[in-house]
Amino acid sequence: AQSVTQLGSHVSVSEGALVLLRCNYSSSVPPYLFWYVQYPNQGLQLLLKYTTGATLVKGINGFEAEFKKSETSFHLTKPSAHMSDAAEYFCAVSDAGSARQLTFGSGTQLTVLP
Amino acid sequence: EAGVAQSPRYKIIEKRQSVAFWCNPISGHATLYWYQQILGQGPKLLIQFQNNGVVDDSQLPKDRFSAERLKGVDSTLKIQPAKLEDSAVYLCASSLGADRGSSETQYFGPGTRLLVL
Repeated sequence: AQSVTQLGSHVSVSEGALVLLRCNYSSSVPPYLFWYVQYPNQGLQLLLKYTTGATLVKGINGFEAEFKKSETSFHLTKPSAHMSDAAEYFCAVSDAGSARQLTFGSGTQLTVLP
Repeated sequence: EAGVAQSPRYKIIEKRQSVAFWCNPISGHATLYWYQQILGQGPKLLIQFQNNGVVDDSQLPKDRFSAERLKGVDSTLKIQPAKLEDSAVYLCASSLGADRGSSETQYFGPGTRLLVL
């Protein structure tokens, strides 16, 4: 069975500071990994995903994530936070045997301070 | 390209009443998903359709929840009777469903926020 752990349900950063949101997963087979963002009263929007190949994945809005198999991690980073980045972020995992089903973490609420 | 549409956006009902949610996926998307997102948690899959057939409904509480996807396009999710613990956001998502692998992107609608009193 797959599972996702997001460390820190709330993260606060100052505008212009580094954003680091942590995600660890468990999967018995090579995983596909996703980061979604959810703005208030909206659905989830894909930021980026890892399938195969290059382990550093670049996404929208300046975000990137690195797949580290040895650490079973897929942390999300952005060099410089912007006020518009304030939202909830979800890490999710699926694998070739799960018929495209996503298992989500519990989310991290990002606050950006002026 | 139009996104996933859901209605209503908000619904307040009393326990034991019934409620229905509607979803219109992105045109051409064969796979449709319903998720339940309880406050403070990540979305949890309730049911997955491929065209008008059910792929997985193992997490759907079938004593009170039902879903259908007639003609392989729109879908409805019904709760009857509702319980207090059904208060949540119900998200609909769709994907192309073209490949058998699991790397397809799912596109989410804005959700229906349900409050059961």
